[in-house]
Amino acid sequence: QVLLVQSGAEVKKPGASVKVSCKPSGYTFTNYYIHWVRQAPGQGLEWMGIIYCRDGSTIYAQKFQGRLTMTRDTSTSTVHMELSSLRSEDTAVYYCARDQGVGDLDYWGQGTLVTVSS
Amino acid sequence: QSALTQPASVSGSPGQSITISCSGTSSDVGTYNYVSWYQQHPGKAPKLMIYEVSNRPSGVSNRFSGSKSGNTASLTISGLQAEDEADYYCSSYTSSPLVFGTGTKVTVL
Repeated sequence: QVLLVQSGAEVKKPGASVKVSCKPSGYTFTNYYIHWVRQAPGQGLEWMGIIYCRDGSTIYAQKFQGRLTMTRDTSTSTVHMELSSLRSEDTAVYYCARDQGVGDLDYWGQGTLVTVSS
Repeated sequence: QSALTQPASVSGSPGQSITISCSGTSSDVGTYNYVSWYQQHPGKAPKLMIYEVSNRPSGVSNRFSGSKSGNTASLTISGLQAEDEADYYCSSYTSSPLVFGTGTKVTVL
């Protein structure tokens, strides 16, 4: 069955960076896209960006340009999301989700809580 | 890219039908037939309920249906059940390339 397993919770200080991993299984890794979506406490879903697992091409939401980096490792079938210059407003649950390419996020990871606090 | 607009809350009694709207623009909902709906229970990851405006993934109850007219998409839940109480989000493919709705809390009275 299709599973997306994310790395564990992180606590970071303002100004630091965080790297969250997402390891899909149960399908051909390079045939799909992976989105990253975050949800601040009590808030809605916020789209962050997308990576094509075949060639590593990315598109980031304008809000995160310059602070967000998504990469994929085909040897381990893992996707990474790194967010830098963290501030308190980045405290959120970060999700990865699979997509065939038209915005249908059919499988989601369990979420990773990132807490930014001094 | 601005979020799609949804009502903050919708409620209904068991057995009733409710409809959640998702208002976008000609740059997203109005142009692309790639509108999805997600259900999210507290503390859980979102779950895909409708894709490409009106299609249900395998395993999703046929009580859930989707439609679109112009720049507005809609999710209808018929025969409302207690387990349907959750937050619901729409999303649309755009040039950005994805935008979510503001979210709607569904309460079963």
